[in-house]
Amino acid sequence: SQQGEEDPQALSIQEGENATMNCSYKTSINNLQWYRQNSGRGLVHLILIRSNEREKHSGRLRVTLDTSKKSSSLLITASRAADTASYFCATATAYNAGNMLTFGGGTRLMVKP
Amino acid sequence: DSGVTQTPKHLITATGQRVTLRCSPRSGDLSVYWYQQSLDQGLQFLIQYYNGEERAKGNILERFSAQQFPDLHSELNLSSLELGDSALYFCASSVLARDNEQFFGPGTRLTVL
Repeated sequence: SQQGEEDPQALSIQEGENATMNCSYKTSINNLQWYRQNSGRGLVHLILIRSNEREKHSGRLRVTLDTSKKSSSLLITASRAADTASYFCATATAYNAGNMLTFGGGTRLMVKP
Repeated sequence: DSGVTQTPKHLITATGQRVTLRCSPRSGDLSVYWYQQSLDQGLQFLIQYYNGEERAKGNILERFSAQQFPDLHSELNLSSLELGDSALYFCASSVLARDNEQFFGPGTRLTVL
C-alpha cells in the first residue's frame, strides 16, 4: 500500500511559472525524498529532507517538511519545458530495519512552452 | 546517469516462464533495493539486500526471489509468471543500509504475454 498521497495528481502550467506539488504521509519518518520520472524511464533523485529539517533548497527546487502535519511540498521555480515529468515523494519510515522507500502516487507535471 | 545498471532493458516472455533480472549498484554502494512499478499498484518496494544479506522485505510474492552476490550485484528471479507481473522493475542502490539517498537504475520492462 502507498504511504503517501500526492496532490494534485496532474498539473499543467506555462513555462516560467512556479509549480507546487504536495505530499502527505501516514507514519513517522526518517526522511522524505523527491524523485522525478520522465515517461516510462528511471527515477532521478532530486532531494532528501530529514525528519529534523524543515526546509531545503537545491537549485530551482525548494522542499518543505512539516512533520506535525505529516506533509511535504516541492516547489519548482521558473519552470521549463524540460521539467515536464512525473514527480514522486517517497518516505523512509522510522520503523524499518532497512531503508525501504514508500512512494506516493505521483504528480504529473506538464510545462507548456 | 545514476551509475546503477540494469539488464535487460526489455523482456518479453510467456505466462508460466521464469526470468532473471540483473542489477549492478553504483561503485561503493553496499545496499541494493528492488521495486516494481505497475499501473494499478504504483511503485512498490519488493526487497532490500545489504552487503549480501537480506535486510528488508516488502510486497514480494513467493514466486519472486532475489540475491546479492559477493561482488554486490543483485539478481531478481521471477517464476511462474502471470500476466499481472508485467511491470517496470527498478533496482536502486545506496551507500548505507538506511537514511540516505537511493539511486535508481533505468529499469527492466517486463511484458508477460
